Amino acid sequence: EAQVTQNPRYLITVTGKKLTVTCSQNMNHEYMSWYRQDPGLGLRQIYYSMNVEVTDKGDVPEGYKVSRKEKRNFPLILESPSPNQTSLYFCASSLGQGGGMNTEAFFGQGTRLTVV
Amino acid sequence: AQSVTQLGSHVSVSEGALVLLRCNYSSSVPPYLFWYVQYPNQGLQLLLKYTTGATLVKGINGFEAEFKKSETSFHLTKPSAHMSDAAEYFCAVTVNTNAGKSTFGDGTTLTVKP
Repeated sequence: EAQVTQNPRYLITVTGKKLTVTCSQNMNHEYMSWYRQDPGLGLRQIYYSMNVEVTDKGDVPEGYKVSRKEKRNFPLILESPSPNQTSLYFCASSLGQGGGMNTEAFFGQGTRLTVV
Repeated sequence: AQSVTQLGSHVSVSEGALVLLRCNYSSSVPPYLFWYVQYPNQGLQLLLKYTTGATLVKGINGFEAEFKKSETSFHLTKPSAHMSDAAEYFCAVTVNTNAGKSTFGDGTTLTVKP
C-alpha cells in the first residue's frame, strides 16, 4: 500500500530536549516536505527536499532541521524545542520529477507535538 | 510567488443541500490547483486536481471544481451534502517556477446539519 508513515503520532516533550520526528514513504517519490498546521493558519511549509541531499527552507524554517540521506526518509529535527513549536506536523511526498508538487501529494497521518 | 485565499473559514449546510467552498488564487504563471480534505485526526487526502486540459474536474465522493482563469478561482462544489462530508477542506496551488512549492489556503471547515 502506498503510504507516508510518520512517527510518533503524539509527543509531549520539555523545552530544550532534542527530538526527531521520522517520515518515510514507500512510493519512490523525489519530493518530500514538512508542514505545520496551526488553527487559522492552514498549512505552512517548514522545509522541503527535491531529492537526496537536496533540501531547502520553506516559509517557517526557524528552529527546525532536516536531512535527506535516502530517498525514502526525511526526518524533522528540533534541536532545542520551544513552546511555540507546539503544533500538528505533517510530512508529505510527491512524485516531483523536477516539477515539485504538481502531482498529487501524499500526506502522513500527522504528529501532534506539545512542548511544555 | 503564488497565494491562495479560501473565502469563509466555516461553512454550514443542511444534509442534501448544495456545497460550495470558495477558493481564489494568485499566480503569475499557469497554476496547478488542488483540493484536499482532512478528516479528524487524519492527514490530508486529495479530492481533485487541475493541471491542464478540461477546466471542470471531477473528484472523489461526488465533488467537482471548475478552473476559471478569468476569475482566478477554483471553487469546490457538490450537489448534495452528506453527513460524511463534514471535514476541513484545503485549496492549494503549485507553480513550477517556485521549486514546485505548494501554497495552501487556511482551510474551510464544512459542517453538515441533519
